Amino acid sequence: EVVLTQSPATLSLSPGETATLSCRASQDVKDNLAWYQQKVGQAPSLLIYDASNRATDVPVRFSGSGSGTDFTLTVSSLEPEDFAVYYCQQRSNWPLTFGGGTKLEIK
Amino acid sequence: QVHLVESGGGVVQPGQSLNLSCVASGLSFSSYAVHWIRQAPGKGLEWVGVISYDGYKEFYSDSVKGRFTVSRDNSKNTLFLHLSRLTTDDTAVYYCARVREAYYDSSPFEHWGQGTLVIVSS
Repeated sequence: EVVLTQSPATLSLSPGETATLSCRASQDVKDNLAWYQQKVGQAPSLLIYDASNRATDVPVRFSGSGSGTDFTLTVSSLEPEDFAVYYCQQRSNWPLTFGGGTKLEIK
Repeated sequence: QVHLVESGGGVVQPGQSLNLSCVASGLSFSSYAVHWIRQAPGKGLEWVGVISYDGYKEFYSDSVKGRFTVSRDNSKNTLFLHLSRLTTDDTAVYYCARVREAYYDSSPFEHWGQGTLVIVSS
């Protein structure tokens, strides 16, 4: 099973700043990695797929990069609505797995 | 309006069974794989299982294999999850999610339902 390790567990930033979230895979997943955002009390929503492609209607301030085992989600110029929990997920191997999540909170 | 609506959650005792449903509307269903993903209270996301667009393939996480079964009825745009031999560790919100790409079992999860809560407690 591919283990995804997200860091940091919690990130405290202010609106307008840039957030950098990390996801590390225990083995090569190529570019088969997605990022999801989950706000309190809501279902997750797809942000980034195949490591760097923004999903439909996702603002351009969200960007993804990486391949193989190291991936990054960058959120530029944080807006108040961006404070949420973010999960990475790999689809390279069965079973599909999620990272443990990074909580992005307002400083 | 794209909708996936889960139902069937509730409180059950350990060892019992439960059936969940997920009805799709406003989006194509029969050409897409659909997954179940769960989230224990205050915890992260855990993938549970998937059924291919045509219902011929299923994959499950090790934690539910042999106890949970995914099925679908494309004529009714409905996905099912049969949960059996439930334990307290199965307590979670269960989400259904349709993938982004047609015919592709492991495509990313583009459309999600709002979830249904299953509580296993004696």
